[in-house]
Amino acid sequence: DAKTTQPNSMESNEEEPVHLPCNHSTISGTDYIHWYRQLPSQGPEYVIHGLTSNVNNRMASLAIAEDRKSSTLILHRATLRDAAVYYCILRDVEHSNYQLIWGAGTKLIIKP
Amino acid sequence: DGGITQSPKYLFRKEGQNVTLSCEQNLNHDAMYWYRQDPGQGLRLIYYSQIVNDFQKGDIAEGYSVSREKKESFPLTVTSAQKNPTAFYLCASSIVGLNAEAFFGQGTRLTVV
Repeated sequence: DAKTTQPNSMESNEEEPVHLPCNHSTISGTDYIHWYRQLPSQGPEYVIHGLTSNVNNRMASLAIAEDRKSSTLILHRATLRDAAVYYCILRDVEHSNYQLIWGAGTKLIIKP
Repeated sequence: DGGITQSPKYLFRKEGQNVTLSCEQNLNHDAMYWYRQDPGQGLRLIYYSQIVNDFQKGDIAEGYSVSREKKESFPLTVTSAQKNPTAFYLCASSIVGLNAEAFFGQGTRLTVV
């Protein structure tokens, strides 16, 4: 299974941009990169996903390396409500169930 | 509002008892999933279903059972055969596809007493 590697935790100041890195060196050519976040004692929430090109939505931007072996989730202006565990996940084409392969994620701490 | 609902939010079970966790969605999604999450860990897949009356085992299906009699419902039974059932259980749904967004419920925290 393709897997991802993320830092255990990161800190950022409120109202500053945040760059959350993810390595996925064994990604296959058709695996999508998904990002979810999870607040304490809640279900995960979808943030963004992409395949090859950089992607933007109202929550964040996703920058994907040209070789696709790494990606970065960018929160343009972090607020206290962005404090959560962020998961970088590959949607695996090798499994017919299209299951999401979850790692331990990055705990993002926002300092006021 | 459209969404996915899990109940109850907290559940206590005595050792040796079976217990059923409810998951209902009104998003018209074909695919539904059950995950288990232990403290400080990511999610692990228990069971999934892509169509009514069909479901498949995930990575940690032992000690669990499911049914999918209706598109909207995917209940999970934690049986007495599950050796360490205390965990946070999450249900999700999505359309079928690699770029599909998964929608999660708020979870059920099961504690064995």
